[in-house]
Amino acid sequence: AIVLNQSPSSIVASQGEKVTITCRASSSISSNYLHWYQQKPGAFPKLVIYSTSYRASGIPSRFSGSGSGTSYSFTISRVEAEDVATYYCQQGSSNPLTFGSGTKLEIK
Amino acid sequence: EVKLQQSGDELVRPGASVKMSCKASGYTFTDYAMHWVKQSPGQGLEWIGTIIPLIDTTSYNQKFKGKATLTADKSSNTAYMELSRLTSEDSAVYYCARWSLRRVLDYWGQGVMVTVSS
Repeated sequence: AIVLNQSPSSIVASQGEKVTITCRASSSISSNYLHWYQQKPGAFPKLVIYSTSYRASGIPSRFSGSGSGTSYSFTISRVEAEDVATYYCQQGSSNPLTFGSGTKLEIK
Repeated sequence: EVKLQQSGDELVRPGASVKMSCKASGYTFTDYAMHWVKQSPGQGLEWIGTIIPLIDTTSYNQKFKGKATLTADKSSNTAYMELSRLTSEDSAVYYCARWSLRRVLDYWGQGVMVTVSS
């Protein structure tokens, strides 16, 4: 199984700050199959970024992603209070599907 | 509008089984696979398995073989997951999610909380 090492496990940021989350895969995956989800407290996960860098419908432009091979990143250019959530990367390159361990974003 | 409506929360006894549903609407049910994901309390996301409703083909995470059974009813656009021989380790929220062409889970159900307790 492909292991996704996600870091950091938590971030405390100020509103307006830029935050970046990294996701490193234990083996190379196609950038077409690396995705990011946002899970707000008490809610189900929501797709934010698919295929490394494409924003899902309705996702603000402050969210972006990049990467290739085994190294991927997710960035919020200017954090807002509504972005408080846990973010997960996920690979669909091979079975079993796997998720990163999550990054919890809090606002100062 | 795509929607996945899951059944209600469950309180079940250890050793029992539970079957939950995921009713799809807003798209052609047989055009997409349905996946199931487990989230234990305060933990991350864990893939259980998938079913392709069109051909009733399933694939499971090795960890959940023998624990989870996935089925689908094309006539009612509903996917099901049954969990057997429940223990406290099975207490979790279980999500269904639609699998799109880019191998991404693009729509999720609201989740079913299963509590295993005597």
